[in-house]
Amino acid sequence: DAMVIQNPRYQVTQFGKPVTLSCSQTLNHNVMYWYQQKSSQAPKLLFHYYDKDFNNEADTPDNFQSRRPNTSFCFLDIRSPGLGDAAMYLCATSQIRQGWGQETQYFGPGTRLLVL
Amino acid sequence: AQSVTQLGSHVSVSEGALVLLRCNYSSSVPPYLFWYVQYPNQGLQLLLKYTTGATLVKGINGFEAEFKKSETSFHLTKPSAHMSDAAEYFCAVEWGSSNTGKLIFGQGTTLQVKP
Repeated sequence: DAMVIQNPRYQVTQFGKPVTLSCSQTLNHNVMYWYQQKSSQAPKLLFHYYDKDFNNEADTPDNFQSRRPNTSFCFLDIRSPGLGDAAMYLCATSQIRQGWGQETQYFGPGTRLLVL
Repeated sequence: AQSVTQLGSHVSVSEGALVLLRCNYSSSVPPYLFWYVQYPNQGLQLLLKYTTGATLVKGINGFEAEFKKSETSFHLTKPSAHMSDAAEYFCAVEWGSSNTGKLIFGQGTTLQVKP
């Protein structure tokens, strides 16, 4: 029944040790998003994939990368996590049809990243 | 710059009382408008959305919101609060002309429901 799945729900990593968060979807949506949400703040868009086209937000640090090997999966790679990268990372999907605007974004449960 | 403002970072109501969460946006172009709810350690769940048509939108869990273009507002209401409504609420907008699906979120309002 799950539509947007994120694994793991909690991830602990060490300062500077690369970490990958994963997201999968069963909705066959053409767009997948990654957000960073720090405590008591709004989600902040890092980047999104429109089909295979990668769209990076201007203020997303180079430390954050993403891969989308197929429609269903999208990964967030943090090359060298710092203490400031500790946050909840949310994956979302939507179906965009040209000229129709956006359909609803469906969010996964999030992965909470702790950096030691 | 386009922005979304949620007035009041914390709102506290008694169980059974009216819930009113305020959201204003800045734009001369009518946007698409959304309200999401987030429970602790969970993702965001869509409550309701406005794209076109009727300006009063009904959502899940008894919530509704009204798009008022003249006031650039999209306030969220519920006639009678329930304990289970305690959560974080985010207003978000997408500017339809952008066609990118990019949402701009407000800072969020924490709703506390007192017994």
